[in-house]
Amino acid sequence: GAVVSQHPSWVICKSGTSVKIECRSLDFQATTMFWYRQFPKQSLMLMATSNEGSKATYEQGVEKDKFLINHASLTLSTLTVTSAHPEDSSFYICSADSGGTDTQYFGPGTRLTVL
Amino acid sequence: GESVGLHLPTLSVQEGDNSIINCAYSNSASDYFIWYKQESGKGPQFIIDIRSNMDKRQGQRVTVLLNKTVKHLSLQIAATQPGDSAVYFCAEIRNNNDMRFGAGTRLTVKP
Repeated sequence: GAVVSQHPSWVICKSGTSVKIECRSLDFQATTMFWYRQFPKQSLMLMATSNEGSKATYEQGVEKDKFLINHASLTLSTLTVTSAHPEDSSFYICSADSGGTDTQYFGPGTRLTVL
Repeated sequence: GESVGLHLPTLSVQEGDNSIINCAYSNSASDYFIWYKQESGKGPQFIIDIRSNMDKRQGQRVTVLLNKTVKHLSLQIAATQPGDSAVYFCAEIRNNNDMRFGAGTRLTVKP
């Protein structure tokens, strides 16, 4: 149980385009989902916390207008990287909190490459 | 704060030896800690957790030690195997369910 999926697993896009990444909890309802970003050989950095039905809470330094987060249902959160630039190239990972425990379950990650 | 811009420390061990990976956390109010394993190109996988009212917890081949006095966490892997090669992160969970990761350590197991 407690499986989280992400789609796509990798994406290559041109500079200036927007990319949407989906995060789904497959067998549980996630009231809270988290989005992380990971640069090569570095730790995961929390970007934002997403609660179902409300606006996401962004970490300091993360542009909310650039990284749009929508948590429309208890099983789906989306991260849209708008007007992507090469410096946005990174590994994006989501996690979901099933509630009742403190454990977060991670998705497999999405590798974004912006040309 | 976040460990941005730091290269991962590395640990190289011989197959069959024990591994000890260390982590320092920052917030004395954190009451829950998790060790994750991350293989290349994949999301982190839960290994073992410990609450702040404990100082040791054992799993299968893994032991986590918590020293709250010096805000230090360690992960011990017994009889390390090639499949244990990965990056290991500690995470501290603060009282608002905010999880922060340590810098990570790359473990390489030599056959």
